[in-house]
Order: sequence, then C-alpha cells, then structure tokens
Amino acid sequence: GESVGLHLPTLSVQEGDNSIINCAYSNSASDYFIWYKQESGKGPQFIIDIRSNMDKRQGQRVTVLLNKTVKHLSLQIAATQPGDSAVYFCAEIVTGGSEKLVFGKGTKLTVNP
Amino acid sequence: NAGVMQNPRHLVRRRGQEARLRCSPMKGHSHVYWYRQLPEEGLKFMVYLQKENIIDESGMPKERFSAEFPKEGPSILRIQQVVRGDSAAYFCASSHGLNEQFFGPGTRLTVL
Repeated sequence: GESVGLHLPTLSVQEGDNSIINCAYSNSASDYFIWYKQESGKGPQFIIDIRSNMDKRQGQRVTVLLNKTVKHLSLQIAATQPGDSAVYFCAEIVTGGSEKLVFGKGTKLTVNP
Repeated sequence: NAGVMQNPRHLVRRRGQEARLRCSPMKGHSHVYWYRQLPEEGLKFMVYLQKENIIDESGMPKERFSAEFPKEGPSILRIQQVVRGDSAAYFCASSHGLNEQFFGPGTRLTVL
C-alpha cells in the first residue's frame, strides 16, 4: 500500500553545519514528492518539490535528491540556521488521481547555536 | 494576498457535541483538501473536494464525519457526536489543481 517513512525521527546539528534529512517511500507509482517544514503550532510550509523524472533539484539553501531505484528521498539544508528548527515531512503524490498527499511521520530538526 | 484561512484556530467540545471547522482556500483555488494530524505524527488525508463535489473521501470515517465545499463560502468539515479520539489538529490545504498544496494554520480540536 501507499506509505512514506523516515529513517530518523530526530536530528540535532550545530548552527552553520549542513543537515540531511532522509525519507523512504514505498509506492513506486508516486511521481511527485514534496518536502514540508512545520513549526510548532503552525501548518506545513512548502519547501521544495521534485518530480520523478528528475533526480536533483536545488532551491535557496535546500537541495532535494531522489533515488527511484531504492525509493529514497533526501533534503539537504546548507548552513543550517536556528530558524530551520522544525519538523520536516516528506510527502508523495500519485498524480492523475485524487492528488492526495501521503505524509511520513516527520523528522524533528534541532539547530544548536 | 491572503493564504489559506481556517477558523476557529482552537475549538473545545464536550463528548457528544458537534464540531464545525471552516476553511477558506486561497484566492483562485478550487481544490480543497482536509488532513488530520495526531500529536507527534504526520498528516493523514481525509477528504478532497472541488466546488460542490466530493472527489475522494477515502480517508474520512464513514460515520459522524462529513465535508462540503459549497459554490459560495468556505469548505466545512463537520464532526457529529465528537469523541475524545477526535482530538487532533485538522489542516486544510488548497490548490488550483497543479499539485502544490498550500496549508492553512489548522484548527486544534480538543474533546473533553
């Protein structure tokens, strides 16, 4: 069935270091993936997305890598800042259907000053 | 350029009462999604609506829960005869059908 999971529930890094958050997905039919950031008491905020015809996409300080062979997704945050502290979720969609997002449980990122 | 709006932000109900959660999508968006989030967990899809139509309600419990998105006005998620297990954060997202979904701030429902 459809499911998205994460390798690590928590990640603690020093300010200025690079962060890598991983995600495994199981539905090979998924063709669109999104990373969301959720701060305490707020709704998920879009960070970056990637389609299955790509293996890498870069944004401002963030990079998403997609490995379809092993069904693995990662989010890299460069020069992590205290404001990056949040829970990060990956989500997948099978486009052409109901477009519903399937979320993983999340990784809590803590950035230490 | 307002984002997705949800109200109330916090809602307290006693067991057996009804809860009504409202969602106003972003301007120009005709697709609305409702998700539920339990503490320390990811969001779980409940229902997907377009104007006046329910497209996918596969994630919504068959009993006590209903959703609508009328031609005019916000989308409503209604929970009848609430139980303690309904306590959660309920998020609405909207899109114009091109995959990216924008989320509202959520309604935190507490059932006493």
